[in-house]
Amino acid sequence: GQQLNQSPQSMFIQEGEDVSMNCTSSSIFNTWLWYKQDPGEGPVLLIALYKAGELTSNGRLTAQFGITRKDSFLNISASIPSDVGIYFCALRSNTGKLIFGQGTTLQVKP
Amino acid sequence: DGGITQSPKYLFRKEGQNVTLSCEQNLNHDAMYWYRQDPGQGLRLIYYSQIVNDFQKGDIAEGYSVSREKKESFPLTVTSAQKNPTAFYLCASSIGPFRLTNSGNTIYFGEGSWLTVV
Repeated sequence: GQQLNQSPQSMFIQEGEDVSMNCTSSSIFNTWLWYKQDPGEGPVLLIALYKAGELTSNGRLTAQFGITRKDSFLNISASIPSDVGIYFCALRSNTGKLIFGQGTTLQVKP
Repeated sequence: DGGITQSPKYLFRKEGQNVTLSCEQNLNHDAMYWYRQDPGQGLRLIYYSQIVNDFQKGDIAEGYSVSREKKESFPLTVTSAQKNPTAFYLCASSIGPFRLTNSGNTIYFGEGSWLTVV
């Protein structure tokens, strides 16, 4: 079956530092999605990527769709305490299912 | 405002009881999904529906049931057959494959429902 590997599993950083996380898949997909989940809430879409090589920013967040169409990364610059949460990558399969990565738990020390 | 509404936010169930979690969307989305999340873990797909009156099992469908009688609604019933039902349940929706555009690949989530078995 399709597999999606996300790393790192968790990060503990100092406020102001930059953060990078990535996902790789075993198959080629047409869309990469990045979500953030605050404790006790549903995931919120951060960035959607639709084209290989695409680089998209949303404020301090930047995500790229890998050229091979099998990977993507998310960068957060100048982290702040409210960046704390779980970040998920996700892919939409051609059967309609959404496949999630295992998540990256981010903690930011003020 | 358009969005996905889940209710209740918190639910307590006695062992042996069935409970139903509500999910309503006014986004005119064709596809709807139910996920389960356990503490410190990712999301696992329970059921999904691509169109009204049709749904498919996800990865962990045992002990759950769904219906899709209306486009806007996709209720999830957690039955007594579910051995470990305590979890955070998330409903989601998307435009759907039958009107698939790039934005159709984007899925939006409700705020979740906490179910605790007491």
